[in-house]
Amino acid sequence: DTAVSQTPKYLVTQMGNDKSIKCEQNLGHDTMYWYKQDSKKFLKIMFSYNNKELIINETVPNRFSPKSPDKAHLNLHINSLELGDSAVYFCASSLQGTDTEAFFGQGTRLTVV
Amino acid sequence: AQTVTQSQPEMSVQEAETVTLSCTYDTSESDYYLFWYKQPPSRQMILVIRQEAYKQQNATENRFSVNFQKAAKSFSLKISDSQLGDAAMYFCPVAGSARQLTFGSGTQLTVLP
Repeated sequence: DTAVSQTPKYLVTQMGNDKSIKCEQNLGHDTMYWYKQDSKKFLKIMFSYNNKELIINETVPNRFSPKSPDKAHLNLHINSLELGDSAVYFCASSLQGTDTEAFFGQGTRLTVV
Repeated sequence: AQTVTQSQPEMSVQEAETVTLSCTYDTSESDYYLFWYKQPPSRQMILVIRQEAYKQQNATENRFSVNFQKAAKSFSLKISDSQLGDAAMYFCPVAGSARQLTFGSGTQLTVLP
C-alpha cells in the first residue's frame, strides 16, 4: 500500500490553464505539506496544513491554493499557469507535534508549455 | 527562520569505501530535528536517518551514521561500505516546531564500481 500517493505523476499543460494535483495519505497523519522542487533540485515548502491551521510560504503566488476535503487529502490547485511553474511538486505528511519524519509522495512533474 | 547549507554539490566514492557528506544549518529554534533524505533517479524522497537536536548521541542506522556537532551547527552523514544503490541526491533538511522542512541545495553522490 502506498503511504502517500499523488496523481498525476506527469502533467503537461499550456500556459494560462488551471490544473489540480491530488494527494492522499493513508498513514493517519494530521499534517500535510506541499513542496516545490525546481530545475536545480532545490526543494522549498509551499504550504503546510492540518485541521487547525494553514501555513503559507509568503513567496507562493496566490494562484496556488491548497484544498483539503478531509484529513487524508490535500490537493493543490493552480490557476493561470505560467512557464515558471514548471517543476516537480511533492506532497508529504507527518504527525504534528512529534519527531516523526515526513513521508513523501512520488512527486508530480508539471511542465507548462 | 532556518537555513541549510550543503557545500558539496557533487561527491564520488568507490564501492565499499566510506564517504562523508557535509551539512551546516542555522536556526533560531531550540527544539528542532535534522534529517538526511536521499533522492534517487526515481525521484522518491527516502528518509536515511534522523537526529533530535536535544540528543547528544549521534544517530546510526546500519551503514549510515551522523556526526552531529550542535555548537558548530554541523550535521554530516557518513556512509560506510558504499553500495551502488547509495547513488542519489542527498538532502539534509531541518525541521523546527512547525515541522516544515527547510532544505539545502543537496549533494549528488556517485558510487563508482
